[in-house]
Amino acid sequence: GDSVTQMEGPVTLSEEAFLTINCTYTATGYPSLFWYVQYPGEGLQLLLKATKADDKGSNKGFEATYRKETTSFHLEKGSVQVSDSAVYFCALSDPLNNNDMRFGAGTRLTVKP
Amino acid sequence: EPEVTQTPSHQVTQMGQEVILRCVPISNHLYFYWYRQILGQKVEFLVSFYNNEISEKSEIFDDQFSVERPDGSNFTLKIRSTKLEDSAMYFCASRPEMRGYTFGSGTRLTVV
Repeated sequence: GDSVTQMEGPVTLSEEAFLTINCTYTATGYPSLFWYVQYPGEGLQLLLKATKADDKGSNKGFEATYRKETTSFHLEKGSVQVSDSAVYFCALSDPLNNNDMRFGAGTRLTVKP
Repeated sequence: EPEVTQTPSHQVTQMGQEVILRCVPISNHLYFYWYRQILGQKVEFLVSFYNNEISEKSEIFDDQFSVERPDGSNFTLKIRSTKLEDSAMYFCASRPEMRGYTFGSGTRLTVV
């Protein structure tokens, strides 16, 4: 079945450091890929998405590129801020599986000033 | 921007009691979902609902769980007899035919 594997956290960085959170997936079809962010005490917010191979999703300085050949969708940001501290979830939605969303385990990011 | 609304934001219940978690999806959306997140853990799929019936459910969604769309606007998750391990954040989501999900802000259920 479809699944998402994320880099385990927690990740602690200093402000302005470079961030990478790895995500790989397994899917029956050609899924859409997503990154969701959950700030402390809040719900899930869509951060970015990509719907086909080689698409790059970007938002708020975060980027991720849909790599079909490596089945990956790694999240990157060039310079993190304290306000980026949150839990980040990689997810996929597979049209061959009713487009049901499947999430990775989440990676907690803490950015220190 | 349209939102998925969940109520209550926090519910405390005694073990063995029935709870109903309520969601109002976006009005023109066709697919409805419940997900669960036990504190500090991953977001887990519970159930999807389309055309007034369950289209898929996970192993977690056993006979203690049920969903309803009673009146064309609400989408409810009922837990018949709550257990301590049902304590979690429950997220409702909806989507139209060809676009992405919109998640609600969640209901935190605490079973004591």
